Amino acid sequence: SQTIHQWPATLVQPVGSPLSLECTVEGTSNPNLYWYRQAAGRGLQLLFYSVGIGQISSEVPQNLSASRPQDRQFILSSKKLLLSDSGFYLCAWSDQGDGYTFGSGTRLTVV
Amino acid sequence: QKEVEQNSGPLSVPEGAIASLNCTYSDRGSQSFFWYRQYSGKSPELIMFIYSNGDKEDGRFTAQLNKASQYVSLLIRDSQPSDSATYLCAVPSGGGADGLTFGKGTHLIIQP
Repeated sequence: SQTIHQWPATLVQPVGSPLSLECTVEGTSNPNLYWYRQAAGRGLQLLFYSVGIGQISSEVPQNLSASRPQDRQFILSSKKLLLSDSGFYLCAWSDQGDGYTFGSGTRLTVV
Repeated sequence: QKEVEQNSGPLSVPEGAIASLNCTYSDRGSQSFFWYRQYSGKSPELIMFIYSNGDKEDGRFTAQLNKASQYVSLLIRDSQPSDSATYLCAVPSGGGADGLTFGKGTHLIIQP
């Protein structure tokens, strides 16, 4: 069966520090991968998606970036965090679009 | 930009009753619709998806779709306290690989 791993679960980072969140999927190949953010009191916002290695599409201009160095690995990064980057970051995967499975999420607090 | 609207609630329902959650969407061309459940502090989990007009049943859950009215609903029969959560409605953002557009969710409270 397919599983999705996301870490860390919680993170507290100072403003201006870098960020790296990692997501890996097991039990499938060539999945579509997504990064979402859920800010307090707001809905889920699609940040990036990827249909293959090295292929990244950005939905929202911001100081975040994403990379897909391997088929089942998706990384969300920032060089310098802002207070507004705080939120619940969720990785998700889909193989045929029939529903998207989310990882357990990373709760990021920028202080 | 596709929009998905949900009443934020909270919607309070007594235990054992039917909970009815509603969602409207802006894009008449949307073909598939998803319902997710999100417990506080946790990630969303897929409950059901529906493609065709009418009803789709899965256990205590029934999804209802009316494409003419651009309306999709989720009914939860015999509501349990464990059903208390936020329910998110979603539609594909543009078809295929580019993710889902989510509503902000309805907070459901099942009163024992």
